[in-house]
Amino acid sequence: DTGVSQDPRHKITKRGQNVTFRCDPISEHNRLYWYRQTLGQGPEFLTYFQNEAQLEKSRLLSDRFSAERPKGSFSTLEIQRTEQGDSAMYLCASSFHLGLSEQYFGPGTRLTVT
Amino acid sequence: RKEVEQDPGPFNVPEGATVAFNCTYSNSASQSFFWYRQDCRKEPKLLMSVYSSGNEDGRFTAQLNRASQYISLLIRDSKLSDSATYLCVVNTITGSARQLTFGSGTQLTVLP
Repeated sequence: DTGVSQDPRHKITKRGQNVTFRCDPISEHNRLYWYRQTLGQGPEFLTYFQNEAQLEKSRLLSDRFSAERPKGSFSTLEIQRTEQGDSAMYLCASSFHLGLSEQYFGPGTRLTVT
Repeated sequence: RKEVEQDPGPFNVPEGATVAFNCTYSNSASQSFFWYRQDCRKEPKLLMSVYSSGNEDGRFTAQLNRASQYISLLIRDSKLSDSATYLCVVNTITGSARQLTFGSGTQLTVLP
């Protein structure tokens, strides 16, 4: 399967714990995006990388959220000191760098904070 | 006010019906526009881009009115397999940053 993959697919954690999600984009894509989606809402943009450079991070929900893409390939999204309000689907997408290319989404990581 | 607004529906229509979805966006600097489809518990997938001249892909027609900041999607001869949530999406580029803003989606159920 050469699509975007995300790991884990599901994560249950207790409030206050840290969690980290991984995204592997389509190999030829150098742009990578993170979104959060809650029930009944569309995906909400969080942050975006072009290669290893994080070009937009002002939409990260709080300073508890951080993302990295150290070698310009896979990316991680970390949430520190999780809260119940962080429960959501976290989606990753990737695209080519040219123009306004289509974004291809991964299956998402569903986070439940108890 | 939300950046992208859609009628949430749900729209319940019989097979073969024509159904139209509307969307408005608030950022006049937005540069490209899309409709994505999201099946239940699945990731969004691009349905079609939306161009100012209007564009058609089989049973699907998309329209954009930049002056009114309005986007539409028309589905003709609807099929059971069209049942999904349709997301209006606006792409805005600011400097080196680009961002897709999604509407909340319009839920469609096509009934036999």
